[in-house]
Amino acid sequence: DAKTTQPPSMDCAEGRAANLPCNHSTISGNEYVYWYRQIHSQGPQYIIHGLKNNETNEMASLIITEDRKSSTLILPHATLRDTAVYYCIVRRNQAGTALIFGKGTTLSVSS
Amino acid sequence: GAVVSQHPSRVICKSGTSVKIECRSLDFQATTMFWYRQFPKKSLMLMATSNEGSKATYEQGVEKDKFLINHASLTLSTLTVTSAHPEDSSFYICSARAGGQYNQPQHFGDGTRLSIL
Repeated sequence: DAKTTQPPSMDCAEGRAANLPCNHSTISGNEYVYWYRQIHSQGPQYIIHGLKNNETNEMASLIITEDRKSSTLILPHATLRDTAVYYCIVRRNQAGTALIFGKGTTLSVSS
Repeated sequence: GAVVSQHPSRVICKSGTSVKIECRSLDFQATTMFWYRQFPKKSLMLMATSNEGSKATYEQGVEKDKFLINHASLTLSTLTVTSAHPEDSSFYICSARAGGQYNQPQHFGDGTRLSIL
């Protein structure tokens, strides 16, 4: 699976949009982009995933560039409870293929 | 949504004890489950892939005789840490994906914090 590059940390003010970037320049055509987050001492929580189209759900929006070499996770109105480590993971969808976690981005939301 | 339940959430035991951790998919069938380990301030590390009805596949450097995995049904996988020692103290997390739905996300349990004294 392709590797991803994320900034180690970001800050965001409560109520503002948090835009978390991810670079995956070596992504191949059959690989999806997944975003998870991990709040301290809990298991990772699924946020969103996509192949090439932009996606939106109740938690966030995922914007994937046309060349698919990078993506941005958008939390439209960050709250203190969004403080977590956010992981961008690229993965082929085939049987038995696990998610491989990098270091992620630590997002700190402050009031 | 898909729920993965992990039990126990925390274990404290003496060195030399064997500890069993259960991972259940509550509302879906999981032909494949994954076990991860996480040390403080580090990312999750994949330990093994557990396949229902067959032997688990272990990642390089993970001792299969130390970490016994059993995936006896489509909703249950267990990880047994045998003869645990202080260096086995860690946060163990399981994950599962609905069988046959490769486009669907993996869902994670809330983890088991293992402390070996």
